[in-house]
Amino acid sequence: EAGVTQFPSHSVIEKGQTVTLRCDPISGHDNLYWYRRVMGKEIKFLLHFVKESKQDESGMPNNRFLAERTGGTYSTLKVQPAELEDSGVYFCASSPDRGFYEQYFGPGTRLTVT
Amino acid sequence: AQSVTQPDIHITVSEGASLELRCNYSYGATPYLFWYVQSPGQGLQLLLKYFSGDTLVQGIKGFEAEFKRSQSSFNLRKPSVHWSDAAEYFCAVGAKAAGNKLTFGGGTRVLVKP
Repeated sequence: EAGVTQFPSHSVIEKGQTVTLRCDPISGHDNLYWYRRVMGKEIKFLLHFVKESKQDESGMPNNRFLAERTGGTYSTLKVQPAELEDSGVYFCASSPDRGFYEQYFGPGTRLTVT
Repeated sequence: AQSVTQPDIHITVSEGASLELRCNYSYGATPYLFWYVQSPGQGLQLLLKYFSGDTLVQGIKGFEAEFKRSQSSFNLRKPSVHWSDAAEYFCAVGAKAAGNKLTFGGGTRVLVKP
């Protein structure tokens, strides 16, 4: 069974540019989560999808971040325009939609904004 | 609100020695507790989890953790460390009432000396 995959693994962009991160969850997992770790800080929750619906987006830092999950499969996280403080590692995780299960994490996308 | 504290930012241990990583959490009810490990260049891998039942939990790679409700702790232990255990370790707490999102501690980086 394939795990959670994320693309790209690294991205270096200039301030003001746009970047789109992609996450493919484990097949059949209805729950999809985005987290972020800014340098030197803890991993923080961004948002949670159940299928294609946003269940909780309380962790999204501002309206420069837009997450989508069309069709309830893969998800994208767009940052537009990127700022220096957006640099960090963005993790995606997925879990089945029954009760409370552990979340399976992808390898992360390291975003550097210069 | 949930919170997790990992008091030790860095720990250095000799190969073959025992390891204990501390984790304290704050949550009003019984939380779900997790330890994840991130090896260099890798994503987050689940080591073990506690949902209910036996408070001593066995995980992968020879790790175990003990849930102590009275101390709000979930410390991770390994009797004999291998060089491959050099990594960053994260304690996390989740709860259904919080929408299953995870709250992470700041992480503990473990260095293994030969």
